[in-house]
Amino acid sequence: EIVLTQSPATLSLSPGERATLSCRASQSLSSFLAWYQQKPGQSPRLLIFDTSNRATGIPARFSGSRSGTDFTLTISSLEPEDFAVYYCQQRSKWPLTFGGGTQVEIK
Amino acid sequence: EVQLVESGGGLVQPGGSLRLSCTGSGFTFSGYCMNWVRQAPGKGLEWVANIKQDGSEKYYVDSVKGRFTISRDNAENSVYLQMNSLRAEDTAIYYCARDRVTQYFYYGMDVWGQGTTVTVSS
Repeated sequence: EIVLTQSPATLSLSPGERATLSCRASQSLSSFLAWYQQKPGQSPRLLIFDTSNRATGIPARFSGSRSGTDFTLTISSLEPEDFAVYYCQQRSKWPLTFGGGTQVEIK
Repeated sequence: EVQLVESGGGLVQPGGSLRLSCTGSGFTFSGYCMNWVRQAPGKGLEWVANIKQDGSEKYYVDSVKGRFTISRDNAENSVYLQMNSLRAEDTAIYYCARDRVTQYFYYGMDVWGQGTTVTVSS
């Protein structure tokens, strides 16, 4: 099983600041990684697919990248609506797995 | 409008059974793999099961193998999750989500339902 370790667990930032979220895979992974945003009481929403592609309607301030087994979600300048929990998810090997999540909270 | 709507959740005793349904609309249902993903209270997301577009392949997380069965009816634009021998640890919101993957590209779980709540308790 591919374990995805997200860090930090909580990120405290102010609006306008840059957010860098990490997702480290326990073994080699293809590009089949996605990022999701979830707000309280809502279903998850796809942000990034196949490592670095923004989903429909996702603002350009969200970007995804990869270096080896380390995947990164970057929010270039936080808007008030970006404070939420973010999950990474791999589709490279069964079972599919999600990371434990990073909560981005208002400082 | 592209959407997925789940139903079938509820309160069930340990050892009991429940069948969840998820119906899609606004898209070609048979063109997508379908997933069930759950979220226990206050916890993160956990993938549960996946079924290929034509139903020929099914995959499960280890913790539900032998107890849960995923199936689909493309004529009804629906996917199901039959849950037997339910345990307290199966208590969660259950979401269905579509995804699509090719040999070289993963499109992500791009449409999710609103979720249906399953509570396993005596």
